[in-house]
Amino acid sequence: EADIYQTPRYLVIGTGKKITLECSQTMGHDKMYWYQQDPGMELHLIHYSYGVNSTEKGDLSSESTVSRIRTEHFPLTLESARPSHTSQYLCASSEYGLDQETQYFGPGTRLLVL
Amino acid sequence: QKEVEQDPGPLSVPEGAIVSLNCTYSNSAFQYFMWYRQYSRKGPELLMYTYSSGNKEDGRFTAQVDKSSKYISLFIRDSQPSDSATYLCAMKKGGSYIPTFGRGTSLIVHP
Repeated sequence: EADIYQTPRYLVIGTGKKITLECSQTMGHDKMYWYQQDPGMELHLIHYSYGVNSTEKGDLSSESTVSRIRTEHFPLTLESARPSHTSQYLCASSEYGLDQETQYFGPGTRLLVL
Repeated sequence: QKEVEQDPGPLSVPEGAIVSLNCTYSNSAFQYFMWYRQYSRKGPELLMYTYSSGNKEDGRFTAQVDKSSKYISLFIRDSQPSDSATYLCAMKKGGSYIPTFGRGTSLIVHP
């Protein structure tokens, strides 16, 4: 089982609040990712990081920001939550170097913005 | 047109059936093909990973890639109720770390 953790698992919050979704992995993986997943839809990449102090925006336009100060930690922050941010957020990590590169996913955070 | 197309289902089968899940894609640069299983309220977990065309078998699961038709399949033999989940296909270009995912197919295996 993958050692990647997300907190909180569920969050209900009002519009305009600032929130931070936490993601940590204990596998020492250099790459980490944040995806947004709506029911019956594809995973959309929001942000990714190839290592400490390296962050990039993904395909999905997002009002969120990320930081990567430590290898194991990749938090996602929404400065001002809106109902359109209601979704499931999945964190993943991966390490390249073997015959195959595997993304390990956390359990997700379900966010509801009222 | 989306790069990866996957029928969302749901696909409902009786226990013991052979299940066939499929994805089509449009980008011929994809070289690595994956199948993930996602249980309700959980994150996806990797089931199968294949490179280029051909078959790969792992227990009751067989992944098949046909690059000429831009078509990939996942077969599940002797399906069990515990196989009930959403199955997502994903694929990557060579040299890329980031896969493109399908929408996922919801599978229900009833006893």
